[in-house]
Amino acid sequence: KAGVTQTPRYLIKTRGQQVTLSCSPISGHRSVSWYQQTPGQGLQFLFEYFSETQRNKGNFPGRFSGRQFSNSRSEMNVSTLELGDSALYLCASSQGAGRYGYTFGSGTRLTVV
Amino acid sequence: KQEVTQIPAALSVPEGENLVLNCSFTDSAIYNLQWFRQDPGKGLTSLLLIQSSQREQTSGRLNASLDKSSGRSTLYIAASQPGDSATYLCAVVNAGNMLTFGGGTRLMVKP
Repeated sequence: KAGVTQTPRYLIKTRGQQVTLSCSPISGHRSVSWYQQTPGQGLQFLFEYFSETQRNKGNFPGRFSGRQFSNSRSEMNVSTLELGDSALYLCASSQGAGRYGYTFGSGTRLTVV
Repeated sequence: KQEVTQIPAALSVPEGENLVLNCSFTDSAIYNLQWFRQDPGKGLTSLLLIQSSQREQTSGRLNASLDKSSGRSTLYIAASQPGDSATYLCAVVNAGNMLTFGGGTRLMVKP
């Protein structure tokens, strides 16, 4: 079965712009989580959506937002980009709760210049 | 707040060696623990998932153990190969349906 699909794979944006990243979970998975990975901070939790509702949010500024659609696909938006937002953004899907484990996509590499 | 630590941060071994990667966590009220592998610039590949009620899981040359009461997990890799070179990450799930990751162990297996 198809895995977790993230698009695009690479993005280059200018400071002040906004960006939207997309994640399609494994078929039948209703939970989608987003993580930011940087060399300095490692992997940090952004937010988690289940059945179109945000269930949990990490400690990130309001410039980071997301949503989930009825087909479980999720988008993440970052507004007013800063240089420090350059990172690998990873999406993970799960059947419903974390106890079933997570499957990750290949990530979107965002570079802010 | 859950904190996850992985030791060592980096490890270099000759091919064929058996090795152990360590992971510790501060809050033992976990649902499960998951070990991942990450190749440079890539996403995470799940290796093993251990539920909180389990003591260990095995997959091929990999064996992961969990001691929830002491807040420790180990990943044992038998007969290491150059293809095992990658960063290994452990992560735990508490209430809140989120993964808390350790900093990873960067493994290099030399031919």
